[in-house]
Amino acid sequence: AQSVAQPEDQVNVAEGNPLTVKCTYSVSGNPYLFWYVQYPNRGLQFLLKYITGDNLVKGSYGFEAEFNKSQTSFHLKKPSALVSDSALYFCAVRDNQAGTALIFGKGTTLSVSS
Amino acid sequence: EAGVAQSPRYKIIEKRQSVAFWCNPISGHATLYWYQQILGQGPKLLIQFQNNGVVDDSQLPKDRFSAERLKGVDSTLKIQPAKLEDSAVYLCASSLRWGGSSYNEQFFGPGTRLTVL
Repeated sequence: AQSVAQPEDQVNVAEGNPLTVKCTYSVSGNPYLFWYVQYPNRGLQFLLKYITGDNLVKGSYGFEAEFNKSQTSFHLKKPSALVSDSALYFCAVRDNQAGTALIFGKGTTLSVSS
Repeated sequence: EAGVAQSPRYKIIEKRQSVAFWCNPISGHATLYWYQQILGQGPKLLIQFQNNGVVDDSQLPKDRFSAERLKGVDSTLKIQPAKLEDSAVYLCASSLRWGGSSYNEQFFGPGTRLTVL
């Protein structure tokens, strides 16, 4: 079965420090991977995607993600965290078996302290 | 560019009542999705439309949930009768097109928070 795992319910980091939010996936065929962010009472906002090409993908708000095929991982990173980055982050993979819907992880809450 | 619109934003109903949600996707987006997000979980697909045709409704509880996308634009999702476990946020998303080697990201609406008492 295709799935996404986000092993950490919460990540805490101090402002100005680098941050990493972890994601691993299991999918049949080529993985199409995404990161979304959700702020309270708002819908999901797209951050970045990996389809093919360079393993390091750059996205919105200074975020980037590294695709690692051998480790089936797609970790979200940012060199210097901001308090405003505090939110709920979802990793997702395209369902390659039916349609093109996304299969989401359970989400990781990022808390950046000042 | 206007985003995905959803209404209502909040709805509280008694169990066994019916409820309907409305979604207006981004103009020109052929693909529309309805997701259910239960508190503490990631969104889960209920149904996917390509224009006005259903692509995937394998996870839609068809004994109580129904959805349509008339004229390939707006969509409605209905629950009848509602159960306590239907309490969730219902998210609508749209994307430019479907298929091929290039995959377009999905744009999400603000969601409808449903509480079933």
